[in-house]
Order: sequence, then structure tokens, then C-alpha cells
Amino acid sequence: KNQVEQSPQSLIILEGKNCTLQCNYTVSPFSNLRWYKQDTGRGPVSLTIMTFSENTKSNGRYTATLDADTKQSSLHITASQLSDSASYICVVSSGHNNDMRFGAGTRLTVKP
Amino acid sequence: DAGVIQSPRHEVTEMGQEVTLRCKPISGHDYLFWYRQTMMRGLELLIYFNNNVPIDDSGMPEDRFSAKMPNASFSTLKIQPSEPRDSAVYFCASSRWDPWTSGNTIYFGEGSWLTVV
Repeated sequence: KNQVEQSPQSLIILEGKNCTLQCNYTVSPFSNLRWYKQDTGRGPVSLTIMTFSENTKSNGRYTATLDADTKQSSLHITASQLSDSASYICVVSSGHNNDMRFGAGTRLTVKP
Repeated sequence: DAGVIQSPRHEVTEMGQEVTLRCKPISGHDYLFWYRQTMMRGLELLIYFNNNVPIDDSGMPEDRFSAKMPNASFSTLKIQPSEPRDSAVYFCASSRWDPWTSGNTIYFGEGSWLTVV
């Protein structure tokens, strides 16, 4: 069973709307959590990296939250744009060498 | 900075042929990773190097896969002989320090799209 679960699997929203993507994990111990954006046909690009002590981190219109107690993270996208259409991948590291678990991703489509 | 550079971007080959994928990591990065991405399995780590030395190749599917890093600026992933089930996108990535404890960013290349027919 994958230790990083993302929801929803796919999401369609209208341009200008907000949305929230979820990432639940069971990886333990916990070192850091990353959100990546992957455009179709491109490599993943890092959006944020969150460590245990960080609850919220913003990168432009992207805001990530982390609750290490409940082992949940969310990625909130504000005022969505067509260019936000991509897959968003949650990645959790345990701090042990090579232990980095990838979620299956959420496929976001922003429509005009 | 040019980022992680991979070649070829696309390759179509016949079953049984040898495939060599190439990667140039970001200068100064001492960790290099090879990943494979498919619809069914998502992103999977195949192997990673630290300071040109292979550290963990447990993700390499089988003996048909091999990877080398002869110097700090170049790595190859070879598949011989290739099979249709090897069709996937292969990503190379690099990081300055270990990404597991340092929280350093891992930078991905644009991927090599392999189709084995």
C-alpha cells in the first residue's frame, strides 16, 4: 500500500476559482514533504518543501499546509489560471537514505 | 543555470535493441537520481549516485538495466536488451546535498520518453 495518498485523483475547475489538493501519508519517521508540479510532457518542478516544524508555506498563489500530527498536507491554489493545469505530486521523506515516497498525483485541469 | 539536461528527449526503438539515456546534472550537485514514470506506477526511483558512486540500485528492475556515472557531469542509463514493458518516461534529477534530511530541492530534467515496439 502506498504510504502517500493523494486526493482527489483528478479535478476540473474554472479559471479564477480556488482549489485544495490533499496529501495524507503514513511515512514514519517524518523528515520533509514536497509538492511538485508536473506539466504534461515535462519534468516535475518543486513548489514547496516543508519540514516538521513548518505549518504553512506560500509560493505565489500556492499555499501548502502541513499537520504533522494528523500526517496531512494540503496544497491550496488561489485564483487559478489556465497554466495551473498540471499534475501535482506529493513526496514524503522519512530522513533515511533513499526513503522518499511519491504520491500518485492529482491531475488538475483549469478550464476557461 | 541550464538545469538538468537529458537526451534523447524521445526515442522509439525495436524490442531487443540497446537503449542509452544520457544525463548532465546541474553543476555542483553531488546527488544524481534516475527515475522512471509510468501511468500505472507513477514515479519510481531506479538508482541514485552520490559523488559519482552508485549508492542504491535496488530500484533497478532487472539485470537488463545498468547505470554509470563516470564523472560529476555525466551519467547514463542503459537498457539491453529493451522490451516493450520498458516503455516509460525516464527522468534524471540532481540535488546539491542529500534531499532526505536537508530538505534540499531535487531538480528534474525534462525526461526521456522511451517507446519500445
